[in-house]
Amino acid sequence: GAGVSQSPSNKVTEKGKDVELRCDPISGHTALYWYRQSLGQGLEFLIYFQGNSAPDKSGLPSDRFSAERTGGSVSTLTIQRTQQEDSAVYLCASSLRTGKGLAGVSSTDTQYFGPGTRLTVL
Amino acid sequence: AQTVTQSQPEMSVQEAETVTLSCTYDTSENNYYLFWYKQPPSRQMILVIRQEAYKQQNATENRFSVNFQKAAKSFSLKISDSQLGDTAMYFCAFMKHPPRAGTASKLTFGTGTRLQVTL
Repeated sequence: GAGVSQSPSNKVTEKGKDVELRCDPISGHTALYWYRQSLGQGLEFLIYFQGNSAPDKSGLPSDRFSAERTGGSVSTLTIQRTQQEDSAVYLCASSLRTGKGLAGVSSTDTQYFGPGTRLTVL
Repeated sequence: AQTVTQSQPEMSVQEAETVTLSCTYDTSENNYYLFWYKQPPSRQMILVIRQEAYKQQNATENRFSVNFQKAAKSFSLKISDSQLGDTAMYFCAFMKHPPRAGTASKLTFGTGTRLQVTL
């Protein structure tokens, strides 16, 4: 089936503008994650959704960053009043669920990533 | 907090040869998962291999295998019979066991190793 998709692929914006980045997870995946990949900071976790709720938003760098997920599917990451340090590749991932493995031990599903959105703030 | 360290920023290997990428991690957790992801120039992060910490047997996926040393907190990736298509950034990642059923955990990544496969 189709993988994780993200749009736009590339986004160039001016400092101070708002941007919206979209992620469409693999169908049926209940968990959705946003990460940021930048030269200075490497790969950083931003936020995670289970269904439509966000149990862990500890990685959001400031209150200019917000995210929502509707219908347990598509998610939007919004950055308000963009700054040059927001320039990065924003990666989205999804995973199926958590549950019991064969050994009776709880297992977790692998995260599958989209191609990312490269954001450039001028 | 967990940390993941990849001490080799760049490596090179000739086609058909074997190469090992190093990864160490630090955690106080007992139940966790370790991953190697590959990121080619296309930017797509692709899962290479996964290891559950409770399993003593090292994971293998075709030409890819790991050497998981839990006591030493080491998780190296061995690529056998290297191919030109293996050229990419390789990231080691840690995930602790989710706190309760129906939840998940974030990945903590190392800084990556850039692997170049040459003719």
